[in-house]
Amino acid sequence: EVQLVQSGAEVKKPGESLRISCKGSGYSFGSYLIGWVRQAPGKGLEWMGIIYPGDSDTRYSPSFQGQVTISVDKSISTAYLQWSGLKASDTAMYFCARPYASGSHTPTSIDYWGQGTLVTVSS
Amino acid sequence: DLQMTQSPSTLSASIGDRVTITCRASQSIGTLLAWYQQKPGKAPKLLIYSASSLQSGVPSRFSGSGSETEFALSISSLQPDDFASYYCQHYNSYSWTFGLGTKVEIK
Repeated sequence: EVQLVQSGAEVKKPGESLRISCKGSGYSFGSYLIGWVRQAPGKGLEWMGIIYPGDSDTRYSPSFQGQVTISVDKSISTAYLQWSGLKASDTAMYFCARPYASGSHTPTSIDYWGQGTLVTVSS
Repeated sequence: DLQMTQSPSTLSASIGDRVTITCRASQSIGTLLAWYQQKPGKAPKLLIYSASSLQSGVPSRFSGSGSETEFALSISSLQPDDFASYYCQHYNSYSWTFGLGTKVEIK
């Protein structure tokens, strides 16, 4: 069974750094893109960026370029989303997600989602 | 940059109603479009992919249509479990773009 299991909720202060994780299981982790999606309280879904674990090729939404870092550790089938200086506006639920098809060249819809990680940034 | 414009933002309907949500792409995207349902506190759930293909296990009252720049999600007879938010999404190999969402409420 394919699963994406995310790390637990975090409460941080402005300016602090944070890394949240998304562990994949039940499939060949290195062969499927992993994307990150933000959902601010009461708002819609925003695509942040995407990484192909096979070669760590990473692309960011222009809205998030320079604001976050996406990485992977293929040896433990885990993707990461990282901030170096959190802001109150980063308060949101963050989802990792995996498309249906393997590889990095076949566009497909998202078939699997993590359960979400709630990040709260408050002084 | 590609924009996905979804309407309406909120829709009030009754059990048994037929409802339609539209999604417009700012440039042609062929049929690289999906629809998701999301309930509060939960991850989105895939309903439709490739603009009109029903995901396995999704009730047949859901249907998708359209291509290029104009798309629609229809629910033929609204059920209590359908009150939720719905999002369209254009997917490409290294880029995803979501619409702003439509909340379907009980009238």
